[in-house]
Amino acid sequence: EPEVTQTPSHQVTQMGQEVILRCVPISNHLYFYWYRQILGQKVEFLVSFYNNEISEKSEIFDDQFSVERPDGSNFTLKIRSTKLEDSAMYFCASSESQGAEQFFGPGTRLTVL
Amino acid sequence: KNEVEQSPQNLTAQEGEFITINCSYSVGISALHWLQQHPGGGIVSLFMLSSGKKKHGRLIATINIQEKHSSLHITASHPRDSAVYICAVSGGGGADGLTFGKGTHLIIQP
Repeated sequence: EPEVTQTPSHQVTQMGQEVILRCVPISNHLYFYWYRQILGQKVEFLVSFYNNEISEKSEIFDDQFSVERPDGSNFTLKIRSTKLEDSAMYFCASSESQGAEQFFGPGTRLTVL
Repeated sequence: KNEVEQSPQNLTAQEGEFITINCSYSVGISALHWLQQHPGGGIVSLFMLSSGKKKHGRLIATINIQEKHSSLHITASHPRDSAVYICAVSGGGGADGLTFGKGTHLIIQP
């Protein structure tokens, strides 16, 4: 069964460093999403992406964040200069079409020291 | 902005019991999602519904659009059902980033 994959599963970085989180969505899906979950809190929407551009973003997704689909398979989230409060689990999701069921990856746990 | 509230926050029950988890939201939506999150953190989609009722195995989800309320039921609960169950909504107007509730932590004891 096709699934969304994410790498790495755990990333530890120093404050101020850049990180790139990688996702491989399900191959025939066209809509891609990033969410985050700070430990003990609810999942929060960051950004959605379609046709090589951002279609929607939340207030959390400020200039420190960027997304890219560098090739036909990967979808990346870059945090330019990490802060302690960026420590969270980051989930990638994909869907076939707008408003369709979203399928989630296993998440990347980001720890900023 | 949609507010998604779930109840109860925590629920402990005995194996075999009928379980109900409730979700309410404040603003009209295009769809409501029920998700399951296991201790390892992974999120699995259980249902997406915009009206009526859906059933998958021992799980049943219902939604009342007029009342802005949904319920997730588990029949004949089993310890393997222990997980966090999350309600999330997607809005109208083309916005499909999900707004999540805080989740219900369910423990089924043998």
